[in-house]
Amino acid sequence: SQQGEEDPQALSIQEGENATMNCSYKTSINNLQWYRQNSGRGLVHLILIRSNEREKHSGRLRVTLDTSKKSSSLLITASRAADTASYFCATGFQKLVFGTGTRLLVSP
Amino acid sequence: SQTIHQWPATLVQPVGSPLSLECTVEGTSNPNLYWYRQAAGRGLQLLFYSVGIGQISSEVPQNLSASRPQDRQFILSSKKLLLSDSGFYLCAWRVAGAIGELFFGEGSRLTVL
Repeated sequence: SQQGEEDPQALSIQEGENATMNCSYKTSINNLQWYRQNSGRGLVHLILIRSNEREKHSGRLRVTLDTSKKSSSLLITASRAADTASYFCATGFQKLVFGTGTRLLVSP
Repeated sequence: SQTIHQWPATLVQPVGSPLSLECTVEGTSNPNLYWYRQAAGRGLQLLFYSVGIGQISSEVPQNLSASRPQDRQFILSSKKLLLSDSGFYLCAWRVAGAIGELFFGEGSRLTVL
């Protein structure tokens, strides 16, 4: 079964706007990761946040983690058309289990 | 630097035919290796993972199998394909024992007709 569930399933915004995606998971974790997938390509790792961290930044990305609510969010600020992709959260140690993903469309 | 190669990139196979997808990793030793399948517009389903040569863990009972004949080679096979085997197959690796990122190949798109 899927460990993570992202919402929304799809998000459409204009360039320059911020995009927020949420991930909920079911069991205890020691870290949570976010990945990006361009259409028809492999996934690319974006950021990892450990269970003892509440917020992490990387460039235009901001990730938060609330272990009490078993949820995480990914914020992309000042979005660009090139950010159009699907975004997945993933948890697990030896077996990394992915959520269902959010499809982000950024229009020029 | 480490690289991952996955082939073929695309294939169309008739129902009942065999399948072999191959994945190799360069520039690292004893990686953890993974096979995922992604149905159209869906998330990733973990099929198999391996922590060493000949060590395969199966996550989903089905007509697929995996083998790891060499340290950095991971093969996904089927003796007889089903229509439901169609999808996008992704191979990935990670440093053994690490909790860090997975590195993905570019994927193999399989269409079973």
